[in-house]
Amino acid sequence: DQQVKQNSPSLSVQEGRISILNCDYTNSMFDYFLWYKKYPAEGPTFLISISSIKDKNEDGRFTVFLNKSAKHLSLHIVPSQPGDSAVYFCAASAQGFGNEKLTFGTGTRLTIIP
Amino acid sequence: SQTIHQWPATLVQPVGSPLSLECTVEGTSNPNLYWYRQAAGRGLQLLFYSVGIGQISSEVPQNLSASRPQDRQFILSSKKLLLSDSGFYLCAWAADGETQYFGPGTRLLVL
Repeated sequence: DQQVKQNSPSLSVQEGRISILNCDYTNSMFDYFLWYKKYPAEGPTFLISISSIKDKNEDGRFTVFLNKSAKHLSLHIVPSQPGDSAVYFCAASAQGFGNEKLTFGTGTRLTIIP
Repeated sequence: SQTIHQWPATLVQPVGSPLSLECTVEGTSNPNLYWYRQAAGRGLQLLFYSVGIGQISSEVPQNLSASRPQDRQFILSSKKLLLSDSGFYLCAWAADGETQYFGPGTRLLVL
């Protein structure tokens, strides 16, 4: 049972435009959500997180939106840059602040077209 | 600052051979430690996690085991590798109540 779903395996966006990556979850106990970026043959790098008490968190070009009623979160990257080309994973935790376990989605490969 | 190391970076092993992957963390004490596997074309699957020395929780039944002999050392082992053990293995750490941070990973190919 996939509790965190990223239904788009890939996404292509023109450089300078907005990239929107989506993630859906089924477990209503999840209360902390994260986005990671991963380059091939490297470990994931933490990008941004949001707790369930918020509906938006912003860090530079990255903004994460959380819609609890729809069990949906999204990552917006604006403007998109070539270095943003990577696989993006969303993750969720049901234990406050990801203390013990994260459940990951299957990832979305983002390609930024110059 | 904290750093996390994994080795080896790449490993090619025959079926039936043993496995030992090591992960160490620097710059923090009493971290939570995690082993994940990313199989080809799939997401990250949590294999084991540890909240302290000698404390290991297993997430999925499998051919692998984990140990934490020291506070900042986490080892992933197998007595006999299977073809299905091939994948990209990632170690991660977290301070209590904080985000997980990943190491560079080990690519394992079982032939």
